[in-house]
Amino acid sequence: DAGVTQSPTHLIKTRGQQVTLRCSPKSGHDTVSWYQQALGQGPQFIFQYYEEEERQRGNFPDRFSGHQFPNYSSELNVNALLLGDSALYLCASSSLGGRADTGELFFGEGSRLTVL
Amino acid sequence: AQSVTQPDIHITVSEGASLELRCNYSYGATPYLFWYVQSPGQGLQLLLKYFSGDTLVQGIKGFEAEFKRSQSSFNLRKPSVHWSDAAEYFCAVFGGATNKLIFGTGTLLAVQP
Repeated sequence: DAGVTQSPTHLIKTRGQQVTLRCSPKSGHDTVSWYQQALGQGPQFIFQYYEEEERQRGNFPDRFSGHQFPNYSSELNVNALLLGDSALYLCASSSLGGRADTGELFFGEGSRLTVL
Repeated sequence: AQSVTQPDIHITVSEGASLELRCNYSYGATPYLFWYVQSPGQGLQLLLKYFSGDTLVQGIKGFEAEFKRSQSSFNLRKPSVHWSDAAEYFCAVFGGATNKLIFGTGTLLAVQP
């Protein structure tokens, strides 16, 4: 049973560029959440996708956008990269399916983004 | 607003010693509470969770945590630490109003031989 998979694992970009990160949820899960984890910090919630719609959003600028596909996989896009966007980006999946959300998440290994 | 405080940034214990990592939360009602562990360069792995019922919950790798409503705490414990437990530990709270999991800043655990 495959868990949450993310790609790429590492990438380096320069300021002003754009980046796309990808995530495939755990089998049977229909909801994807994205978190940003800066060095030495706890993960910060970016947004959550369910049924191809953004369900919740954290305190991140519009430069951060996402998408969920019919197969439940998801992309995180960041435009106009800043040095401060350097972080580990974590994808987490869960199963809502009409049930009450308990907050339990299963995380991938993350994508390490370095902005120079 | 919900928040989580992990007062200890860094803790060092000797292998075989007991461990307690502190977590305090701020939330109006009874929240759902979690502990996650993160090894260097890795994602987060769920250790244990509390939703309701028995306030002492057992998790994987020999960890347990106790929910104390009066103290708004959810401390993580292990009776005997192994060198492989060296990692960063995150406490998290989920409350239905905001529908998102909020993490503390983490406690980095070092284990001395």
